[in-house]
Amino acid sequence: GAGVSQSPSNKVTEKGKDVELRCDPISGHTALYWYRQSLGQGLEFLIYFQGNSAPDKSGLPSDRFSAERTGGSVSTLTIQRTQQEDSAVYLCASSQGAKNIQYFGAGTRLSVL
Amino acid sequence: GQNIDQPTEMTATEGAIVQINCTYQTSGFNGLFWYQQHAGEAPTFLSYNVLDGLEEKGRFSSFLSRSKGYSYLLLKELQMKDSASYLCVKYGNKLVFGAGTILRVKS
Repeated sequence: GAGVSQSPSNKVTEKGKDVELRCDPISGHTALYWYRQSLGQGLEFLIYFQGNSAPDKSGLPSDRFSAERTGGSVSTLTIQRTQQEDSAVYLCASSQGAKNIQYFGAGTRLSVL
Repeated sequence: GQNIDQPTEMTATEGAIVQINCTYQTSGFNGLFWYQQHAGEAPTFLSYNVLDGLEEKGRFSSFLSRSKGYSYLLLKELQMKDSASYLCVKYGNKLVFGAGTILRVKS
């Protein structure tokens, strides 16, 4: 697509439920990144994909968080048994080339009640 | 560590010039990005410096000194729409984002 697309744009869920967030990167971009941004805070790195593999998962906060990428394109971030502290904006970015200029989607605003 | 230090907030007047400074740890450095983020929106790419010196792009310029671990973003002829958070980002083995500098432009 023309830009990075994320869905849903907003998600409200109850504590303990699972949620799945989707990212569709710019066509042809091999690198894909997930970040989390809490209100008034900087971006927190979660996970990085190169193609379908994830060389760096170091930012995932707990084993409730997982992500996958298929076909070198769409990625899903899954949060199991959501907690209130998971409430944040989840941003996805994609890039291509050595400069690693990342282009961001509009994000998914997750609210856990 | 990967600490990126930039001021939390700055205020400037429409039409003026403002400089936003950023310092970072020099180890493991591949490049320095600046991103702009309007409230409630995703960050957008502004500039990328990999060599020392000044890169100019319209009203925005970015400077890098690799030996000092220092960069700045210079915004000229400020407009109200420039009110946003400006993120200094170090590119090492991955991107590390600073917390951002909230710039308020007043008339």
